[in-house]
Amino acid sequence: DAKTTQPPSMDCAEGRAANLPCNHSTISGNEYVYWYRQIHSQGPQYIIHGLKNNETNEMASLIITEDRKSSTLILPHATLRDTAVYYCIVKPPGANSKLTFGKGITLSVRP
Amino acid sequence: NAGVTQTPKFQVLKTGQSMTLQCAQDMNHEYMSWYRQDPGMGLRLIHYSVGAGITDQGEVPNGYNVSRSTTEDFPLRLLSAAPSQTSVYFCASSRALWDNQPQHFGDGTRLSIL
Repeated sequence: DAKTTQPPSMDCAEGRAANLPCNHSTISGNEYVYWYRQIHSQGPQYIIHGLKNNETNEMASLIITEDRKSSTLILPHATLRDTAVYYCIVKPPGANSKLTFGKGITLSVRP
Repeated sequence: NAGVTQTPKFQVLKTGQSMTLQCAQDMNHEYMSWYRQDPGMGLRLIHYSVGAGITDQGEVPNGYNVSRSTTEDFPLRLLSAAPSQTSVYFCASSRALWDNQPQHFGDGTRLSIL
């Protein structure tokens, strides 16, 4: 499975958009980009995933570059409750392939 | 709207004791898995199951046993607890093998081995 690179941390002001980058330059054609987050002491929470088209749901938007080598998770109006560790994961379809969590990026939303 | 349910939420054991961490899902998911998370580290896969009666090892299986007699349940057994197994354990489930649907996680069991 392709590896991902994320900066260790970032912060943003409450109410502003949070743009979380992820580099996955070795991604293969059938691998999806998944984003999860983990709020302190809770289980990982699925946010969004995509293959090559941009995706949007009630939580966030996922922008994948045309060459698929990087992506950005956008939280349009960050709140204090969005403070968490965000994981960008690349894997092929099928639950049999492992979901490999790296260190993620710690997002701190400040008042 | 239960999703993935883990019990107990907290447990303290003495070295050498045995116990079973329970995991149940009500989404009719075929795939279930167990992870452990230690401070400063990502989640590491312990065991997984692709359906009732089928289990396989993840990256850190030693000291743990699993079985999958029903689609809904996937218990994790510690036969002789060791302090190195102090960790937070997460259970996850997802749909069939070949689709791209995400895994859903429980809230975890915090286990301390004295």
